[in-house]
Amino acid sequence: DVKVTQSSRYLVKRTGEKVFLECVQDMDHENMFWYRQDPGLGLRLIYFSYDVKMKEKGDIPEGYSVSREKKERFSLILESASTNQTSMYLCASSLWVPMGSLDAGYTFGSGTRLTVV
Amino acid sequence: GENVEQHPSTLSVQEGDSAVIKCTYSDSASNYFPWYKQELGKRPQLIIDIRSNVGEKKDQRIAVTLNKTAKHFSLHITETQPEDSAVYFCAATPRGFGNEKLTFGTGTRLTIIP
Repeated sequence: DVKVTQSSRYLVKRTGEKVFLECVQDMDHENMFWYRQDPGLGLRLIYFSYDVKMKEKGDIPEGYSVSREKKERFSLILESASTNQTSMYLCASSLWVPMGSLDAGYTFGSGTRLTVV
Repeated sequence: GENVEQHPSTLSVQEGDSAVIKCTYSDSASNYFPWYKQELGKRPQLIIDIRSNVGEKKDQRIAVTLNKTAKHFSLHITETQPEDSAVYFCAATPRGFGNEKLTFGTGTRLTIIP
């Protein structure tokens, strides 16, 4: 019963290529997130979105952009891939939580391991 | 913004012993503190969380404690088992104030020695 699906488990791309990472969730969550995971650095937020067509920069947005045309889909775009973007990319989604309500937590996808050569 | 520090980065304990992982946060407005477990090759999964209006929460062998004054929270695993081996991440956020993003710690690799 996979609820957050990332389109590719492994990707190998060349330097300078435009790369699309896709994420789809079937839980009708408002919030969607893209993190990258690197050893010793944990999970760092790249971009997130609270609603369709909305996006906000996270802590490390440089070199990335995102698109959210439909509620269930959140795409991460590497405009011109570079070797320092070799990483594990994790998508997550969560419910919008009104103040005082129970917290739902994130549901993560399985990740996409991107190698840029 | 929020900054979360997590220690230790690696931890090895004998099966049956207890393990403790500690995190500190910087933003006094943070009010939601989840813990995620990531087994090798798998996605992170929420194992327990705590809100700032309680000091401790338990779920079987795992517990989380929160000290708001000192701005730190800890994960406690008792009677450890081999299946507890994983990377654990803490996180914090001032949730409910229009800010839904989590700031994660750098992770702790826990190894249970049989």
